[in-house]
Amino acid sequence: GQQVMQIPQYQHVQEGEDFTTYCNSSTTLSNIQWYKQRPGGHPVFLIQLVKSGEVKKQKRLTFQFGEAKKNSSLHITATQTTDVGTYFCAAISGGYNKLIFGAGTRLAVHP
Amino acid sequence: EAGVAQSPRYKIIEKRQSVAFWCNPISGHATLYWYQQILGQGPKLLIQFQNNGVVDDSQLPKDRFSAERLKGVDSTLKIQPAKLEDSAVYLCASSPINRQGAYEQYFGPGTRLTVT
Repeated sequence: GQQVMQIPQYQHVQEGEDFTTYCNSSTTLSNIQWYKQRPGGHPVFLIQLVKSGEVKKQKRLTFQFGEAKKNSSLHITATQTTDVGTYFCAAISGGYNKLIFGAGTRLAVHP
Repeated sequence: EAGVAQSPRYKIIEKRQSVAFWCNPISGHATLYWYQQILGQGPKLLIQFQNNGVVDDSQLPKDRFSAERLKGVDSTLKIQPAKLEDSAVYLCASSPINRQGAYEQYFGPGTRLTVT
Protein backbone atom coordinates (compact mmCIF):
# COMPACT_ATOMS: atom_id res chain seq x y z
CA GLY A 1 0.00 0.00 0.00
CA GLN A 2 0.91 3.64 -0.18
CA GLN A 3 3.50 4.83 2.31
CA VAL A 4 5.03 8.17 3.15
CA MET A 5 8.44 8.34 4.78
CA GLN A 6 9.47 11.27 6.95
CA ILE A 7 12.93 12.36 7.93
CA PRO A 8 14.39 13.09 10.36
CA GLN A 9 12.56 11.25 13.11
CA TYR A 10 13.73 13.69 15.72
CA GLN A 11 15.48 17.05 15.76
CA HIS A 12 16.85 19.24 18.52
CA VAL A 13 17.37 22.93 17.72
CA GLN A 14 18.28 26.02 19.67
CA GLU A 15 15.60 28.67 19.69
CA GLY A 16 16.12 30.91 16.68
CA GLU A 17 17.58 28.19 14.47
CA ASP A 18 15.76 26.94 11.39
CA PHE A 19 14.15 23.52 11.05
CA THR A 20 13.15 21.41 8.07
CA THR A 21 11.30 18.10 7.83
CA TYR A 22 10.96 16.09 4.64
CA CYS A 23 8.26 13.76 3.42
CA ASN A 24 8.85 11.28 0.58
CA SER A 25 6.69 8.85 -1.36
CA SER A 26 7.58 6.26 -3.99
CA THR A 27 4.34 7.03 -5.83
CA THR A 28 2.89 10.25 -7.17
CA LEU A 29 0.61 11.94 -4.67
CA SER A 30 -2.62 13.70 -5.56
CA ASN A 31 -2.14 16.05 -2.64
CA ILE A 32 -0.50 16.17 0.76
CA GLN A 33 -1.51 17.56 4.13
CA TRP A 34 0.58 18.63 7.10
CA TYR A 35 -0.49 18.33 10.74
CA LYS A 36 1.09 19.39 14.02
CA GLN A 37 0.65 17.48 17.26
CA ARG A 38 1.74 19.13 20.48
CA PRO A 39 2.97 16.85 23.29
CA GLY A 40 -0.10 15.20 24.83
CA GLY A 41 -2.36 16.75 22.22
CA HIS A 42 -4.08 15.73 19.04
CA PRO A 43 -3.13 16.39 15.41
CA VAL A 44 -4.12 19.81 14.14
CA PHE A 45 -4.35 20.56 10.44
CA LEU A 46 -1.80 23.05 9.12
CA ILE A 47 -2.11 23.06 5.35
CA GLN A 48 -2.91 21.13 2.18
CA LEU A 49 -0.79 21.19 -0.98
CA VAL A 50 -2.29 20.15 -4.29
CA LYS A 51 -0.31 21.54 -7.22
CA SER A 52 3.06 20.44 -8.52
CA GLY A 53 5.79 22.78 -7.25
CA GLU A 54 3.38 24.57 -4.93
CA VAL A 55 4.83 26.75 -2.17
CA LYS A 56 2.69 28.10 0.65
CA LYS A 57 3.68 30.21 3.63
CA GLN A 58 2.12 30.65 7.04
CA LYS A 59 4.13 33.24 8.97
CA ARG A 60 7.43 31.47 9.73
CA LEU A 61 6.32 28.16 8.15
CA THR A 62 7.00 27.40 4.47
CA PHE A 63 5.49 24.33 2.82
CA GLN A 64 6.61 22.95 -0.53
CA PHE A 65 5.27 20.25 -2.82
CA GLY A 66 7.78 18.73 -5.21
CA GLU A 67 7.57 19.14 -8.96
CA ALA A 68 7.00 15.40 -9.37
CA LYS A 69 4.49 15.39 -6.49
CA LYS A 70 6.46 12.67 -4.72
CA ASN A 71 7.92 14.76 -1.93
CA SER A 72 7.13 17.66 0.31
CA SER A 73 8.87 19.71 2.95
CA LEU A 74 8.05 21.95 5.88
CA HIS A 75 10.54 24.62 6.85
CA ILE A 76 10.31 26.71 10.00
CA THR A 77 12.39 29.89 10.13
CA ALA A 78 13.74 31.07 13.49
CA THR A 79 12.11 28.44 15.66
CA GLN A 80 10.36 29.38 18.88
CA THR A 81 9.49 27.24 21.90
CA THR A 82 5.88 27.28 20.72
CA ASP A 83 6.96 25.25 17.67
CA VAL A 84 7.64 22.20 19.85
CA GLY A 85 5.69 19.14 18.76
CA THR A 86 5.54 16.42 16.14
CA TYR A 87 4.95 17.36 12.53
CA PHE A 88 3.20 14.81 10.33
CA CYS A 89 2.74 14.72 6.62
CA ALA A 90 -0.24 12.75 5.34
CA ALA A 91 -1.08 11.64 1.83
CA ILE A 92 -4.57 11.27 0.46
CA SER A 93 -5.24 7.72 -0.71
CA GLY A 94 -8.23 6.62 -2.72
CA GLY A 95 -11.46 8.44 -3.39
CA TYR A 96 -12.76 8.87 0.14
CA ASN A 97 -10.26 11.26 1.66
CA LYS A 98 -8.37 8.46 3.43
CA LEU A 99 -5.13 9.77 4.94
CA ILE A 100 -1.89 7.81 5.20
CA PHE A 101 0.27 9.44 7.86
CA GLY A 102 4.03 9.46 8.00
CA ALA A 103 5.74 8.57 11.27
CA GLY A 104 6.32 12.23 12.03
CA THR A 105 9.28 14.41 12.95
CA ARG A 106 9.51 15.37 16.59
CA LEU A 107 10.90 18.85 17.12
CA ALA A 108 12.48 19.94 20.40
CA VAL A 109 13.40 23.61 20.80
CA HIS A 110 15.82 24.65 23.51
CA PRO A 111 15.58 28.25 24.79
CA GLU B 1 -18.04 25.81 16.51
CA ALA B 2 -17.70 22.91 18.94
CA GLY B 3 -14.91 20.46 18.20
CA VAL B 4 -14.89 16.68 18.03
CA ALA B 5 -15.83 15.20 21.39
CA GLN B 6 -14.49 11.90 22.70
CA SER B 7 -14.97 9.95 25.89
CA PRO B 8 -13.54 8.62 28.03
CA ARG B 9 -10.20 10.44 27.94
CA TYR B 10 -8.37 7.63 29.72
CA LYS B 11 -9.08 3.95 30.25
CA ILE B 12 -7.11 1.19 31.93
CA ILE B 13 -8.27 -2.40 31.49
CA GLU B 14 -6.83 -5.86 31.83
CA LYS B 15 -6.16 -8.02 28.81
CA ARG B 16 -9.15 -10.01 27.61
CA GLN B 17 -11.56 -7.37 28.94
CA SER B 18 -13.73 -5.30 26.64
CA VAL B 19 -13.82 -1.51 26.20
CA ALA B 20 -15.84 1.01 24.22
CA PHE B 21 -15.02 4.51 23.07
CA TRP B 22 -17.47 7.19 22.01
CA CYS B 23 -17.10 10.01 19.51
CA ASN B 24 -19.33 12.92 18.54
CA PRO B 25 -18.07 14.67 15.39
CA ILE B 26 -18.43 18.30 14.42
CA SER B 27 -22.01 19.05 13.51
CA GLY B 28 -22.67 18.58 9.82
CA HIS B 29 -19.51 16.58 9.12
CA ALA B 30 -20.50 13.57 7.06
CA THR B 31 -17.22 11.69 7.32
CA LEU B 32 -15.96 10.17 10.57
CA TYR B 33 -12.67 8.39 11.14
CA TRP B 34 -11.23 6.24 13.92
CA TYR B 35 -7.45 6.11 14.19
CA GLN B 36 -5.07 4.18 16.40
CA GLN B 37 -1.91 6.01 17.40
CA ILE B 38 0.77 3.95 19.07
CA LEU B 39 3.40 5.94 20.99
CA GLY B 40 6.01 7.37 18.64
CA GLN B 41 4.06 6.60 15.46
CA GLY B 42 1.68 8.42 13.17
CA PRO B 43 -2.07 7.81 13.37
CA LYS B 44 -3.23 4.66 11.58
CA LEU B 45 -6.73 4.62 10.13
CA LEU B 46 -8.90 1.84 11.54
CA ILE B 47 -12.25 2.66 9.99
CA GLN B 48 -13.88 5.44 8.00
CA PHE B 49 -17.59 6.19 7.79
CA GLN B 50 -19.38 8.38 5.31
CA ASN B 51 -22.72 9.19 6.91
CA ASN B 52 -23.63 5.81 8.45
CA GLY B 53 -21.90 3.63 5.86
CA VAL B 54 -18.39 2.15 6.09
CA VAL B 55 -16.12 3.23 3.22
CA ASP B 56 -12.84 1.76 4.54
CA ASP B 57 -12.16 -0.76 7.27
CA SER B 58 -9.21 -2.50 5.65
CA GLN B 59 -6.95 -2.04 8.70
CA LEU B 60 -9.54 -2.85 11.37
CA PRO B 61 -8.76 -6.13 13.21
CA LYS B 62 -12.26 -7.41 12.76
CA ASP B 63 -11.84 -10.40 15.04
CA ARG B 64 -11.70 -8.06 18.03
CA PHE B 65 -12.59 -4.52 16.91
CA SER B 66 -15.99 -3.27 15.85
CA ALA B 67 -17.42 0.16 15.17
CA GLU B 68 -20.78 1.61 14.36
CA ARG B 69 -22.32 4.92 13.42
CA LEU B 70 -26.00 4.12 13.52
CA LYS B 71 -27.64 7.50 12.84
CA GLY B 72 -24.82 8.99 10.83
CA VAL B 73 -23.77 11.23 13.71
CA ASP B 74 -21.93 9.86 16.74
CA SER B 75 -19.96 6.64 16.72
CA THR B 76 -18.65 3.96 19.04
CA LEU B 77 -15.53 1.83 18.69
CA LYS B 78 -15.34 -1.40 20.68
CA ILE B 79 -12.51 -3.79 21.45
CA GLN B 80 -13.36 -7.26 22.68
CA PRO B 81 -11.23 -8.92 23.95
CA ALA B 82 -8.37 -6.47 24.40
CA LYS B 83 -4.73 -7.45 23.97
CA LEU B 84 -1.61 -5.81 25.37
CA GLU B 85 -0.71 -4.48 21.92
CA ASP B 86 -3.97 -2.50 21.81
CA SER B 87 -2.45 0.02 24.23
CA ALA B 88 -2.55 3.26 22.26
CA VAL B 89 -4.39 6.52 21.84
CA TYR B 90 -7.62 6.15 19.87
CA LEU B 91 -8.37 9.28 17.92
CA CYS B 92 -11.63 10.20 16.31
CA ALA B 93 -11.71 12.73 13.49
CA SER B 94 -14.33 14.20 11.21
CA SER B 95 -14.35 16.14 7.99
CA PRO B 96 -16.88 17.83 5.77
CA ILE B 97 -17.70 16.25 2.47
CA ASN B 98 -17.12 17.60 -1.03
CA ARG B 99 -16.00 21.00 0.10
CA GLN B 100 -13.78 22.20 -2.73
CA GLY B 101 -10.10 21.96 -1.80
CA ALA B 102 -10.80 21.61 1.92
CA TYR B 103 -10.64 18.05 3.11
CA GLU B 104 -8.81 18.72 6.35
CA GLN B 105 -9.63 16.42 9.21
CA TYR B 106 -10.53 17.71 12.66
CA PHE B 107 -9.33 15.50 15.47
CA GLY B 108 -10.78 14.96 18.90
CA PRO B 109 -8.63 14.85 22.06
CA GLY B 110 -8.36 11.04 21.92
CA THR B 111 -8.78 8.23 24.41
CA ARG B 112 -5.60 6.85 25.94
CA LEU B 113 -6.05 3.11 26.45
CA THR B 114 -3.70 1.10 28.63
CA VAL B 115 -4.09 -2.69 28.60
CA THR B 116 -2.34 -4.46 31.48
